[in-house]
Amino acid sequence: AQTVTQSQPEMSVQEAETVTLSCTYDTSENNYYLFWYKQPPSRQMILVIRQEAYKQQNATENRFSVNFQKAAKSFSLKISDSQLGDTAMYFCAFMIDNAGNMLTFGGGTRLMVKP
Amino acid sequence: DVKVTQSSRYLVKRTGEKVFLECVQDMDHENMFWYRQDPGLGLRLIYFSYDVKMKEKGDIPEGYSVSREKKERFSLILESASTNQTSMYLCASTGLSTGELFFGEGSRLTVL
Repeated sequence: AQTVTQSQPEMSVQEAETVTLSCTYDTSENNYYLFWYKQPPSRQMILVIRQEAYKQQNATENRFSVNFQKAAKSFSLKISDSQLGDTAMYFCAFMIDNAGNMLTFGGGTRLMVKP
Repeated sequence: DVKVTQSSRYLVKRTGEKVFLECVQDMDHENMFWYRQDPGLGLRLIYFSYDVKMKEKGDIPEGYSVSREKKERFSLILESASTNQTSMYLCASTGLSTGELFFGEGSRLTVL
């Protein structure tokens, strides 16, 4: 079974600064995907970024980037130039390739961006 | 835009009541999921469905059942609600995009 661990229940960052959210996972699989999802207060959860395990290059989406360390089974999310709208719960998730979009989620990190 | 609509944002029920949570998606997605979200535990999969009238157990199916009579609608049923089922319930659907789930706004259920 796969497990996903987010060791930081809560974090805060000043507006315009950079913050990194941590995620580790455990699996014996070799082909898989990793994701970060964002859940703003009282709003729907949305996909932020996706990383294929076979790709060495770290994924980037505008101000969001990941640091994927496959050997260490680590998948952190970096948010640059933090904005007030980045305040949300962030969930790291894992999926085995060809698993029918069945994701395993971590416990979440609550991020507060302060003005 | 994809829209996943959950019928109730907030519900309060009594122990032993039957509870229906409904979810409708408008993007013709084959796959639909029900998760429950609890602080510190993240999202845990209750049931999922790959097609009409198909259902598969997730990680925590005990105390729940589901129904998928139409492609766009996936219902979660609590036959006899208990206090430990007080939680946020999230419905999601997905099409071909790998790992991209589209979520509803959630239904916060309180069982007294």
